[in-house]
Amino acid sequence: DTAVSQTPKYLVTQMGNDKSIKCEQNLGHDTMYWYKQDSKKFLKIMFSYNNKELIINETVPNRFSPKSPDKAHLNLHINSLELGDSAVYFCASAAGGKTDTQYFGPGTRLTVL
Amino acid sequence: DAKTTQPNSMESNEEEPVHLPCNHSTISGTDYIHWYRQLPSQGPEYVIHGLTSNVNNRMASLAIAEDRKSSTLILHRATLRDAAVYYCILLSGNTGKLIFGQGTTLQVKP
Repeated sequence: DTAVSQTPKYLVTQMGNDKSIKCEQNLGHDTMYWYKQDSKKFLKIMFSYNNKELIINETVPNRFSPKSPDKAHLNLHINSLELGDSAVYFCASAAGGKTDTQYFGPGTRLTVL
Repeated sequence: DAKTTQPNSMESNEEEPVHLPCNHSTISGTDYIHWYRQLPSQGPEYVIHGLTSNVNNRMASLAIAEDRKSSTLILHRATLRDAAVYYCILLSGNTGKLIFGQGTTLQVKP
């Protein structure tokens, strides 16, 4: 069973479009995260939710909107896609404590043309 | 957020031990030392973590300096599957944020 899954694995789209990436975890965890890994391979946290409540919101453009329908899901919606949004996006989950181990999904490679 | 410093790259021979160093001179009392690794085309994977004492698990050992300003991840017998980028991260008990640096790219030679 996959612990943290993301769909789609690859996403190719045009500038200006709106797209969503879905994330689901079956670990029973309370906290979920979104990270962005750019072309230089730097991983940076974007958002974190704990029990559907936003707890970390880094300086991310407001075109990015996370949505957590329940604590097992954290989706990432991106409006008006730009070339610079091309990256690999990783979802992660943790039990709930701030220093708990984070479990990462396989990533979604977004390419904006 | 406290910062870590790691060598950009290291090489090892298969089945030999590997010692991956990390400096974190600005570590605070509530920071945990976490190590993650990222295999090619995969998401990061937890390796080990510690606070003050040395730690062992099935994947690796973590040796933490007495002043906590440095640590070393030890892979006891490197395999080709251990080739990855290894990240040393200080995880704050206050923020809960993993701040990834550039990591160390480990190459394992057969």
